[in-house]
Amino acid sequence: AQSVTQLDSQVPVFEEAPVELRCNYSSSVSVYLFWYVQYPNQGLQLLLKYLSGSTLVKGINGFEAEFNKSQTSFHLRKPSVHISDTAEYFCAVSGPIKAAGNKLTFGGGTRVLVKP
Amino acid sequence: DAGITQSPRHKVTETGTPVTLRCHQTENHRYMYWYRQDPGHGLRLIHYSYGVKDTDKGEVSDGYSVSRSKTEDFLLTLESATSSQTSVYFCAISESGSPNEKLFFGSGTQLSVL
Repeated sequence: AQSVTQLDSQVPVFEEAPVELRCNYSSSVSVYLFWYVQYPNQGLQLLLKYLSGSTLVKGINGFEAEFNKSQTSFHLRKPSVHISDTAEYFCAVSGPIKAAGNKLTFGGGTRVLVKP
Repeated sequence: DAGITQSPRHKVTETGTPVTLRCHQTENHRYMYWYRQDPGHGLRLIHYSYGVKDTDKGEVSDGYSVSRSKTEDFLLTLESATSSQTSVYFCAISESGSPNEKLFFGSGTQLSVL
């Protein structure tokens, strides 16, 4: 079984400040890692994903995440946030790698509120 | 945006009544999924489908059934709704079902069971 823990349920941040959203996962098998974003009253959209290779992954809207295998973490960062980044962010894992069906396991979500 | 339509968008019902939610896609993707979203739990998989008439359970399948008679439609049924099934329900699709593939999500159905 696999699980995902997002360590912060809410993160308030001022506009143009940096933000980091923390995600830790546990799994007995190799997995793929994802960050999804949900804007108010919308479905989820993919921000970025880690499959293999470079541990620093760049996504849309200036976000990036770093995979750390030894710490089983996949933290999301943005150096300067905008008001439009106000949303809920979900970390997710899928796997095992050879399984059929992308059955994602999600963390509980982190609400980011960007203040002017 | 992926062509995914969920209906209804909002529904209020009473305990013990049957409820069916519909997901319709125009992408001809093979895999379809139903998730429920609850505060603090993120999204949890209810059921998924890997083809017409081919479905399987997710982690929170009790009290739910699904059907897929056409590639484009995936129905979620609550046979006898309970207050614990008050939630936001999201349909998602993926092309091949590979674990490294991204999912496309619908806009959700807000269900309230009174």
